[in-house]
Amino acid sequence: SQQGEEDPQALSIQEGENATMNCSYKTSINNLQWYRQNSGRGLVHLILIRSNEREKHSGRLRVTLDTSKKSSSLLITASRAADTASYFCATDPQTGGTSYGKLTFGQGTILTVHP
Amino acid sequence: NAGVMQNPRHLVRRRGQEARLRCSPMKGHSHVYWYRQLPEEGLKFMVYLQKENIIDESGMPKERFSAEFPKEGPSILRIQQVVRGDSAAYFCASSPWGGRQETQYFGPGTRLLVL
Repeated sequence: SQQGEEDPQALSIQEGENATMNCSYKTSINNLQWYRQNSGRGLVHLILIRSNEREKHSGRLRVTLDTSKKSSSLLITASRAADTASYFCATDPQTGGTSYGKLTFGQGTILTVHP
Repeated sequence: NAGVMQNPRHLVRRRGQEARLRCSPMKGHSHVYWYRQLPEEGLKFMVYLQKENIIDESGMPKERFSAEFPKEGPSILRIQQVVRGDSAAYFCASSPWGGRQETQYFGPGTRLLVL
């Protein structure tokens, strides 16, 4: 399986509920990033968490990183219909040499928030 | 400060034609990454360029694909003799320094359809 796999593949919730998405990866990383993509649009950067960080917050977003389990989670609290989108994690793997920030993306979680 | 710009947004080509995709990075950014997104999949790295240099093209097919980032003007991803399998969304991203721990800012993408 590939680096950066999201789980679940699809998530459907009601407005106001929390949404949790998980990401697993295989190699050691420099950082892990979460992006959002609305249907047919480009990617919007949400949050970057470095390999030496365990948790990070940004507004209604909370990201955790467990490097021992090679996993990360994205929590969106008090979801809104406007949060409906695909969410991708992307890893910047350690290569032993110069890192160019070459990101490896998972296949994404499709989140649907019903009003 | 304008974001990353890509044009055209949509491009239709017949098999055997050439496709040219343009990317203007954010002001002050001299590092450009190209990614390809096939339907229902995550983004796959293609190539990383600095001004006038290709740094890493490990994700780019060896034949028919080429990329450049001249001293002046946008970065160009060129696909010669397109085939139906080239149909995808092509995204470019830019960053200031091209190193790890940096956020990459994505453009809106070019959606290529090969008939």
